[in-house]
Amino acid sequence: DAGVIQSPRHEVTEMGQEVTLRCKPISGHNSLFWYRQTMMRGLELLIYFNNNVPIDDSGMPEDRFSAKMPNASFSTLKIQPSEPRDSAVYFCASSGQETSYEQYFGPGTRLTVT
Amino acid sequence: KQEVTQIPAALSVPEGENLVLNCSFTDSAIYNLQWFRQDPGKGLTSLLLIQSSQREQTSGRLNASLDKSSGRSTLYIAASQPGDSATYLCAASTSGSARQLTFGSGTQLTVLP
Repeated sequence: DAGVIQSPRHEVTEMGQEVTLRCKPISGHNSLFWYRQTMMRGLELLIYFNNNVPIDDSGMPEDRFSAKMPNASFSTLKIQPSEPRDSAVYFCASSGQETSYEQYFGPGTRLTVT
Repeated sequence: KQEVTQIPAALSVPEGENLVLNCSFTDSAIYNLQWFRQDPGKGLTSLLLIQSSQREQTSGRLNASLDKSSGRSTLYIAASQPGDSATYLCAASTSGSARQLTFGSGTQLTVLP
């Protein structure tokens, strides 16, 4: 398996623009997680899905953030409108019962909002 | 609410030394505990997963232990090498349906040649 795939790897955008981050989990995994990492706050769980259903989005910072998982092989995290304080590295991870729920992380998307 | 603490925040050792990284968690009702490595500017790489029913796991020069009763886990690195320099994070999972993780803030390890 290719592992968790994220795109784009780097995104630079201007304040107010819409940003969409994409994630393809490992085939067969039924749980998907979106994290944000900054120097100040460390690694934060934003939202997670189980069997394509959002289970807990209490980590989503505000209504500007939304996430979807239309099928088992694809998820998006959208920020609209983006703000400079959204600049961070966003990670997607997946896990499944057959691997004892060990989480596997993607390479991340480095987002810079100017 | 689960809280995970890693001490020290940073550690510097000479090459060849054996070392221990510490992780503590407040809620012993965990499903498993995972250790990760993160290199600068990179993603997280899973090193070891310890199930709640296990006491330790080994992979090469790495050995991780779990003591649920005391709320502690340790990562032992034998014969450290400069290539081991990275940030090491531990994370405890809940018993919820998706086994979400609560992360510690990490220990930044530097192995000096």
